[in-house]
Amino acid sequence: QSVLTQSPSVSGTPGQRVTISCSSSSSNIGSETLNWYQQVPGTAPKLLIYSNNQRPSGVPDRFSGSKSGTSASLAISGLQSEDEADYYCAAWDDRLNGYVFGTGTKVTVL
Amino acid sequence: QVLLVESGGGLVKPGGSLRLSCAASGFTFTQYYITWIRQAPGRGLEWVSYTSTSSTFANYADSVKGRFTISRDTAKRSVYLQMNSLRVEDTAVYYCARDLGLGVLDAWGKGTTVTVSS
Repeated sequence: QSVLTQSPSVSGTPGQRVTISCSSSSSNIGSETLNWYQQVPGTAPKLLIYSNNQRPSGVPDRFSGSKSGTSASLAISGLQSEDEADYYCAAWDDRLNGYVFGTGTKVTVL
Repeated sequence: QVLLVESGGGLVKPGGSLRLSCAASGFTFTQYYITWIRQAPGRGLEWVSYTSTSSTFANYADSVKGRFTISRDTAKRSVYLQMNSLRVEDTAVYYCARDLGLGVLDAWGKGTTVTVSS
């Protein structure tokens, strides 16, 4: 089964820029678009970025996504206290005929 | 607004069964796939199953294949997850989500908790 690997944790002070990485162990993810979800502790996940770099309505533009080959990243510019959450990348896997989620990254605002 | 509400969770013994429900409102139910995702305590997100708009297509994660069955009732605007032969490792919060395809789950319910324990 394909695995999407993320850095376990990242931290920053308010106003800083932090980056979360997501890399695939399978080439069948490389052609697919990556999506990102934010999960504040105790709540349901929320779609943050779709199709590699698109923001749904209501998501602040300080969140941005990018993808190159089998790796992707999520950047948070101007880090705020409310950004403290777990972040997951996700993709459709053709071989699995299902979804694969990343291992998750915990963002801490110092 | 788009609303998804899960129900049916609870405490069940290993080998037992549960049926989860996902009630949808605020959008044209027949136009969207619905997906179930679960999250074990302290763990990450795991895709469980999806059903297509007309229930023609469905698929399951290997971890639940043969034990879980997804279905949908258009008249009730609901999707169900029948879970049989439950195992301790099925303990999780189960979320349903509106599925736009290609991993884009744009609306989620608050989840329902399933605990499998003797």
